[in-house]
This record gives sequence, structure tokens and C-alpha cells, in this order.
Amino acid sequence: AQSVTQPDIHITVSEGASLELRCNYSYGATPYLFWYVQSPGQGLQLLLKYFSGDTLVQGIKGFEAEFKRSQSSFNLRKPSVHWSDAAEYFCAVAPQRALTFGSGTRLQVQP
Amino acid sequence: DAGVTQSPTHLIKTRGQQVTLRCSPKSGHDTVSWYQQALGQGPQFIFQYYEEEERQRGNFPDRFSGHQFPNYSSELNVNALLLGDSALYLCASSYTTGGLSTDTQYFGPGTRLTVL
Repeated sequence: AQSVTQPDIHITVSEGASLELRCNYSYGATPYLFWYVQSPGQGLQLLLKYFSGDTLVQGIKGFEAEFKRSQSSFNLRKPSVHWSDAAEYFCAVAPQRALTFGSGTRLQVQP
Repeated sequence: DAGVTQSPTHLIKTRGQQVTLRCSPKSGHDTVSWYQQALGQGPQFIFQYYEEEERQRGNFPDRFSGHQFPNYSSELNVNALLLGDSALYLCASSYTTGGLSTDTQYFGPGTRLTVL
């Protein structure tokens, strides 16, 4: 069965600093990979997705992610974090119809 | 373009009761999935409906059931509520072409269920 690991439960960065959130997946073939963001008490908003092709994908709000097959990773990055980026971030894999999510990384942004 | 909508926003029930949650998919979408998100955890897949039938199910007991209507909207029913059913219930929609799901799911705001 597929699984997703987000090693960092909580990350704090200063506004303007760069950000990288880690995601590792376990699946036998190349999966579909996603990053979602969730603000407190809200639903999930899709940031970006990888299906195939270019391993560096661009998303909304200035986020990007890189798929590395050799490391089974799909890390999320942003060059300069804004205070409004504070939220919970979830990585997900969908080899079939059901999304399997990681446990999330909570991002705090210091002024 | 309306996104995924869910009702109600919040719900409080007592143990043993039954609850029904509702979801309307994004315009143009025909597939609805339901997820349970316990506090501090990632969402967990309950089941997915397409063409008014359940076509995939996660590791949830039969107390969890659903329905999809001809207009693609969906209901999630939970019987004999337990304290552990307290969670945010998320609906996600997508579209299926040629029998294959696009696998890009768009989520609604969720229904917060509290079981006392």
C-alpha cells in the first residue's frame, strides 16, 4: 500500500526567508503527487500537482515542487515566505482514485 | 464558477445518533469523494462515488454509507455515532473521463462534526 511521510511536524521561518517542506512517498510505480494547503478550520486548497513530464512543477502563490524518483521525494519550496503562508501543508499521493495524505507540516511565519 | 459546497458547516450530535452530511460538486465534475480529518491529522479516504455507485472504499466500517444523486451531489451518512467520529468531514470532487478519474480532487470547506 502507498504511504506518505512528512518528517517535519512544525516549521517556523522568518518572513522573507526561503522555505522547503519535505515529503517522501512509498509506492511501486510513479504516482500522482500533490501538495495542498489548509488554513485553520478550512478545507484544502490545491497548490500544485505532478503527473508526469518535467520534474519541477510550478504552483499557485509562488510555490514549486520537485519530484525526485531516486529519493522518492516531492519537496515543496518557496523562495520568499509571506506572513499569509502560515498554514498546514499536506503532501498526498494518488496511485489510484483515493488520495493518501501525509500527517501535515504546520508552518509558522515570524515577522 | 461555484466550487465544492458542503452543508451544514457545523453539527453537534450525541453518541448513538445518526447524521447526514451533504456535498455539491464543482461545476462540471461528476465524481465525489469523502474524507475524514481528525484533529491534528491528515485526511483519510472514506469512499468515492461515480455514476451513483460507490466505486472505491477506504478502511471505514459499514456505519459509514453514502449516496450520489443524478445531479452528482452526494450525501455521507454515519449511523450509531461514536465519540471517535468527531472530525472534519471533507468532500472532494473531480471528473472521470473514459472510466478513468483525473485524480485531481478539489475540496470543499468541510463539515465539523462533534459527537458528545
